[in-house]
Amino acid sequence: DIQMTQSPSSISASIGDRVTITCRASQGLSRWLAWYQQKPGKAPSLLIYAASSLQSGVPSRFSGSGSGTNFTLVINTLQPEDFATYYCQQSNTFPWTFGQGTKVEIK
Amino acid sequence: EVQLVESGGDLVQPGRSLSLSCLVSGLTFRDYAMSWVRQAPGKGLEWISYIRGTAFGATTEYAASVKGRFTISRADSKSSAYLQMTSLRDEDTAVYFCVAGGGGSPDYWGQGTLVTVSS
Repeated sequence: DIQMTQSPSSISASIGDRVTITCRASQGLSRWLAWYQQKPGKAPSLLIYAASSLQSGVPSRFSGSGSGTNFTLVINTLQPEDFATYYCQQSNTFPWTFGQGTKVEIK
Repeated sequence: EVQLVESGGDLVQPGRSLSLSCLVSGLTFRDYAMSWVRQAPGKGLEWISYIRGTAFGATTEYAASVKGRFTISRADSKSSAYLQMTSLRDEDTAVYFCVAGGGGSPDYWGQGTLVTVSS
């Protein structure tokens, strides 16, 4: 199975900060990677698919990049509603696998 | 508006069976692959099963943790996907989400249904 490793596991940030989350895959994924945001008690919500495509309705302060084994999610100008847990997921090879999550907390 | 509504979650004893349903609206169901993803209490997300669209033979994929115990299926006429779960274990306790699409394209999630396995 492809292992997905996110870093950091948690990050404390302030409103207006730029936040970077990385996701490393144990095997090459081409660009078969998605990023999700999840708030407590809610279903995950797709932010980015195909490594860098912004899901419709998602604010442009979110961006994704990378290919192969290294991927990045950047949140520019962090807003109050962005405090949540973020997951990467690979869909290159079954079984699809998720990273362990990155919790973005208020500093 | 795309909506996915899961149902069927319940408290069930270990070793018993349970069936989950996912009713989809707002998209052409037959064109979408469907998945089930679960989340144990306080834990991360775990993909567990996938079914391709009927045009691709409705073939299926499973995570090792559920293979042989869980069965995913679909009924295009009812815009619904299903997850039949047998031989349930304590570690199957989770919120189960159904997902339409994905795999390099946009996807849509339901709100989840809670399955609790306990004696």
